[in-house]
Amino acid sequence: DAGVTQSPTHLIKTRGQQVTLRCSPKSGHDTVSWYQQALGQGPQFIFQYYEEEERQRGNFPDRFSGHQFPNYSSELNVNALLLGDSALYLCASVGGTDYNEQFFGPGTRLTVL
Amino acid sequence: DQQVKQNSPSLSVQEGRISILNCDYTNSMFDYFLWYKKYPAEGPTFLISISSIKDKNEDGRFTVFLNKSAKHLSLHIVPSQPGDSAVYFCAASEAAGNKLTFGGGTRVLVKP
Repeated sequence: DAGVTQSPTHLIKTRGQQVTLRCSPKSGHDTVSWYQQALGQGPQFIFQYYEEEERQRGNFPDRFSGHQFPNYSSELNVNALLLGDSALYLCASVGGTDYNEQFFGPGTRLTVL
Repeated sequence: DQQVKQNSPSLSVQEGRISILNCDYTNSMFDYFLWYKKYPAEGPTFLISISSIKDKNEDGRFTVFLNKSAKHLSLHIVPSQPGDSAVYFCAASEAAGNKLTFGGGTRVLVKP
């Protein structure tokens, strides 16, 4: 049973560029959340998708957008990259019979130069 | 406004002894509390959770205690093992499956 998978593992971009990160949830999960973890800090909630709609959103600018597909996989898009967007981006999924336990993927390390 | 705080950035403990990690929160709407362990270059791994209707939950070597009146929770690891060396995050949500608010983490080092 595959857990949460994310791609790519690492990514290097320059300021002003756009990036797309991808996430496949754990089998049987229908809800996907995205988090940003800066170095030395705890993960910060970006947004959550359920039934292809953004259900909750954290305190992130509109440059951060997302999408959920009918197979529950999800994308995170970041436009006009800033140096401060450099971070580990984590995807988490939840669903099935236990809605309390959120499973995290290994993350995508984004470096903005 | 940091709604979840882990005031100890690091903790060092001898193998076989107890590790106690603490977490404080300010949002009285939080209803579920979770602990995650994180190794470098990996995503957080779920350890144990507790809902606000309970004050204790055990799973093997891990026990979480919740004191709602003090808005405080703690994670006890007994006995501590070298493989427990990692960063531990406390997280809270207002409802199951909802967004998680994380603390800043506590780095635990278990010495052989």
